[in-house]
Parts: sequence; structure tokens; C-alpha cells
Amino acid sequence: SQKIEQNSEALNIQEGKTATLTCNYTNYSPAYLQWYRQDPGRGPVFLLLIRENEKEKRKERLKVTFDTTLKQSLFHITASQPADSATYLCALGRGDKIIFGKGTRLHILP
Amino acid sequence: DAEITQSPRHKIIETGRQVTLACHQTWNHNNMFWYRQDLGHGLRLIHYSYGVHDTNKGEVSDGYSVSRSNTEDLPLTLESAASSQTSVYFCASSEAIRDAGTQYFGPGTRLLVL
Repeated sequence: SQKIEQNSEALNIQEGKTATLTCNYTNYSPAYLQWYRQDPGRGPVFLLLIRENEKEKRKERLKVTFDTTLKQSLFHITASQPADSATYLCALGRGDKIIFGKGTRLHILP
Repeated sequence: DAEITQSPRHKIIETGRQVTLACHQTWNHNNMFWYRQDLGHGLRLIHYSYGVHDTNKGEVSDGYSVSRSNTEDLPLTLESAASSQTSVYFCASSEAIRDAGTQYFGPGTRLLVL
């Protein structure tokens, strides 16, 4: 069955450093991949989309890579700030189906 | 500004009771979704709709039903609530899932079934 794996442990990063989150998947060939941010008590908020024919996407301090051979996406936050602390969800889609990973909690330490 | 709202935000009900969770979006999106989010499971799709009078079952649809009578609303009904349905429920909408449409989520409904 389809499976998405994100870091199950929380990630602690020092302020100003680059935070890198990983999303691995198996038994699936997504046409696109999305990253969402979720704060406690709130719904997820869309951040970035990358399609299967794209290698990298950037938006301000965010960068996403997508390697369909490795079946992996990396999500980078450069010059991290305490306000970046949240849970980040990876989501894969093809056609009319989107499946979400369980998310990784990120703590940016001042 | 367009938005997606859910009500109630919190609900406590007894086992066996029926409850309906409301979802209303003003994005004029065709697609609407219901998810539940539980520790250790992440977001799981319950039901979804691609337009008025269209509904489809998701991964965890047993015990839930939806109906779509207009573009703006997709209410989720738990016919006979069970303790296993204690969860946080999120509604989302998007323009066109086949075009990798961004999903816009509501604030969630926290449901406790006793």
C-alpha cells in the first residue's frame, strides 16, 4: 500500500540555521507534491507545490526538492526563525487523490 | 475575503447520538473534502465532493455520510457516534484537484464522543 514517511521525531534547529525536513514515499508515483504548515489548534496552510517534472522550487526562505528516483522530497527553511516553529506536512497527489504524511514538528530555538 | 468556516469548533456528544458538522466555503470552489486528524495517523480522508450532488468515499468513510446540495456547503454527519470517532475534523476546499489544486483548510472541529 502507499506509504509516506516523515521524520517522526521533532526536529530542533538553532535560530539562523537551515532546517531540512524529509518526506519519503513508497508504492506511489505522485504527479505532484505539496508542503503544508500546521500550527497548534489550526488547520494546515499550503506553502509550496512541486510537480513530478520539476527538481526544485523556491519561495522566499523556502526551498523544496523532488527526486522521483529516490522517491524523496526535501523541504528547507533557510535563516530559520522561532516563528517557523510548527508542524510541516508533506502531501502527494496524482489525479483525484491526495495523501498526507503524518508531519514533522519543527522547533527553532532562539 | 474568501474563507472556509467550520461549526461547531468543539462538540461533546454521547455514544450512539447523531451529529452533523458544518463546513461552509466562500471560495466558490468545486472540490470539498473532510479529513480527520489523530495522533499517530495524520490526516485521513473521510469523504469528498467534486461538485453539487457529487460525493465520494475516502479512506475512512465507515460511519460517516455527506451530501452536497450547493457549492458552498458540505456537512458531515455521524449517524451513530462511536468513541473511535473522537478526533479533530478538518474541512478543506480546492479549485481543481486534477490540476494539483491547493487545499484550503478550515479551523477544525474538535469532537469528543463519550
